[in-house]
Amino acid sequence: DTGVSQDPRHKITKRGQNVTFRCDPISEHNRLYWYRQTLGQGPEFLTYFQNEAQLEKSRLLSDRFSAERPKGSFSTLEIQRTEQGDSAMYLCASSLYLAGRETQYFGPGTRLLVL
Amino acid sequence: QQQVKQSPQSLIVQKGGISIINCAYENTAFDYFPWYQQFPGKGPALLIAIRPDVSEKKEGRFTISFNKSAKQFSLHIMDSQPGDSATYFCAAFNQAGTALIFGKGTTLSVSS
Repeated sequence: DTGVSQDPRHKITKRGQNVTFRCDPISEHNRLYWYRQTLGQGPEFLTYFQNEAQLEKSRLLSDRFSAERPKGSFSTLEIQRTEQGDSAMYLCASSLYLAGRETQYFGPGTRLLVL
Repeated sequence: QQQVKQSPQSLIVQKGGISIINCAYENTAFDYFPWYQQFPGKGPALLIAIRPDVSEKKEGRFTISFNKSAKQFSLHIMDSQPGDSATYFCAAFNQAGTALIFGKGTTLSVSS
């Protein structure tokens, strides 16, 4: 399968614990996005990378959240000191950005439940 | 604040009928409008997309109609099938910007 993959698919954790999610984009895609989706809502932008550079962070991304994309390949999203309000589906998307155009392709998501 | 408003929230259509989902946007800088289909427990999958230089785009049973002056666009699903039952999201994007801005979604149920 050459699509976007995410790991783990599900994560249950206790409040206060740290969690880390991984996203592997489509090969050759230079942009990678993280979104958060809560029940009954559309995905909301968190942050994105172009190659290894993190170019924008949403106000939704509190200082407990950190994302990396070393070497411009896979990306990790870490949430420190998780809160119940962090429970959501975390989606990764990738795109090939060329000449001002791109199409974002989403992975299956990581569903986080904070108890 | 940039917004995309989507309606209806839910839709029930009989098999073979036409499903219509509407979206409206505010920011005239948006220049790319995709529709995503999402099944429970899955990530959104790109269905069809349109740019504002055309008023309509058709791919199989799926058609996007775009009204630039009204800042509205809609998805039409012809000959709706039970397998089309899913949540549909419209989105808008500014190619000079970054993130997709999504509507809140429409849950479509096609009854057989």
